[in-house]
Amino acid sequence: QSVLTQPPSVSGAPGQRVTISCTGSSSNIGAGYDVHWYQQLPGTAPKLLIYANSNRPSGVPDRFSGSKSGTSASLAITGLQGEDEADYYCQSYDNSLSGSRVFGGGTKLTVL
Amino acid sequence: QVKLVQSGAEVKKPGDSVKVSCKASGYTFSSYYMHWVRQAPGQGLEWMGIINPSSGATGYAQKLQGRVTMTRDTSTSTVYMELSSLRSEDTAVYYCARGYYGSRNYQNSWFDPWGQGTLVTVSS
Repeated sequence: QSVLTQPPSVSGAPGQRVTISCTGSSSNIGAGYDVHWYQQLPGTAPKLLIYANSNRPSGVPDRFSGSKSGTSASLAITGLQGEDEADYYCQSYDNSLSGSRVFGGGTKLTVL
Repeated sequence: QVKLVQSGAEVKKPGDSVKVSCKASGYTFSSYYMHWVRQAPGQGLEWMGIINPSSGATGYAQKLQGRVTMTRDTSTSTVYMELSSLRSEDTAVYYCARGYYGSRNYQNSWFDPWGQGTLVTVSS
């Protein structure tokens, strides 16, 4: 199992808002390390979506937002569109595993 | 633009080794760490390790210690990931990804961009 815990799947209708949680522990998110989010469309490489908890790279729509509190982080997507259907992964650093970056298990977003 | 281009798909037998390359362009190669991440079919992302292209220093995931080796060639701006004693469980798409942390600290780096991925199939 993954060091960071994400729900396996979420779904929503077009136009709705969904959130994806990412739960860690005192050795990663709870230790103050940043959380980053990636979007992986089917058959493609992951793409950076949110960095340093809540920052969007240029080109990422402001429908995507990130937040972090305590040992958890969340990705919110508002105004759902069909093109948002993808897998989403959170990532952080864990100080109990030598030099290790860690990922969540991924969440499949289905747009109904 | 910043780009990472990886070598092509490989088919290997159990016990073999595989070496995947990742050629960087569009930025100063030695200024940014490079990471390797793999993804087994239908599974999530797994961090494999990191290389400092300037010094060649490396750090590997505990699970892969002893089987993985990351190297670089600064003359061609290319990093390599070699995995030995291959098993069927090593069948995966292997990605290189540049680590970037801006004004944050090193541990807080994120991966951007990613290479296109290299499928390694291990089968007898």
